[in-house]
Amino acid sequence: ETGVTQTPRHLVMGMTNKKSLKCEQHLGHNAMYWYKQSAKKPLELMFVYNFKEQTENNSVPSRFSPECPNSSHLFLHLHTLQPEDSALYLCASSQDRGTSGGGTWETQYFGPGTRLLVL
Amino acid sequence: AQKVTQAQTEISVVEKEDVTLDCVYETRDTTYYLFWYKQPPSGELVFLIRRNSFDEQNEISGRYSWNFQKSTSSFNFTITASQVVDSAVYFCALSEAPGTYKYIFGTGTRLKVLA
Repeated sequence: ETGVTQTPRHLVMGMTNKKSLKCEQHLGHNAMYWYKQSAKKPLELMFVYNFKEQTENNSVPSRFSPECPNSSHLFLHLHTLQPEDSALYLCASSQDRGTSGGGTWETQYFGPGTRLLVL
Repeated sequence: AQKVTQAQTEISVVEKEDVTLDCVYETRDTTYYLFWYKQPPSGELVFLIRRNSFDEQNEISGRYSWNFQKSTSSFNFTITASQVVDSAVYFCALSEAPGTYKYIFGTGTRLKVLA
């Protein structure tokens, strides 16, 4: 069983809908990530949370809103998305062995992803 | 500039054949990590290996082996006696500095193993 779970696995939404993606890690890690994987493009890092603090926002449109209530859970709130936002959204976690915002970042472990289709 | 190139977009082999997936990277750092991940049709990226820049020893894990050559900036992955379950997209990635969270992924190589 994977240490990182994501729900839902598949999501179809209209452009006016509001939905949320959920990620949970059971590995005791303190850093969590959202990635976007579109067809024929490299993985794009969207957000990074380290010790529940957002340390990276990679120029992501405001229609994507992350939330990290604790080091085990990560959400991605979606609203008024566009068809080009259709993609596989992957969550990952890792351990930062240094102090908050720095230190040695260990290997990232990924969840199964949420396949999102925006109509 | 940091870059990871996986020139092979798709490879098809017949079961039991050996196959090598190429990965070439560019970095100015002397300290970095290299990774391989497997992405089966289910979507999850499965971690396979991490290698730091100071360890050029080749590694073997079962049917998998990795050849790291700093002289050619390559970190190639070989599957021996391929099986249908090896069918997946394989990604090579680079992280610079001692374990930064910023991974630079290649575009992946789709491997199809035919029965």
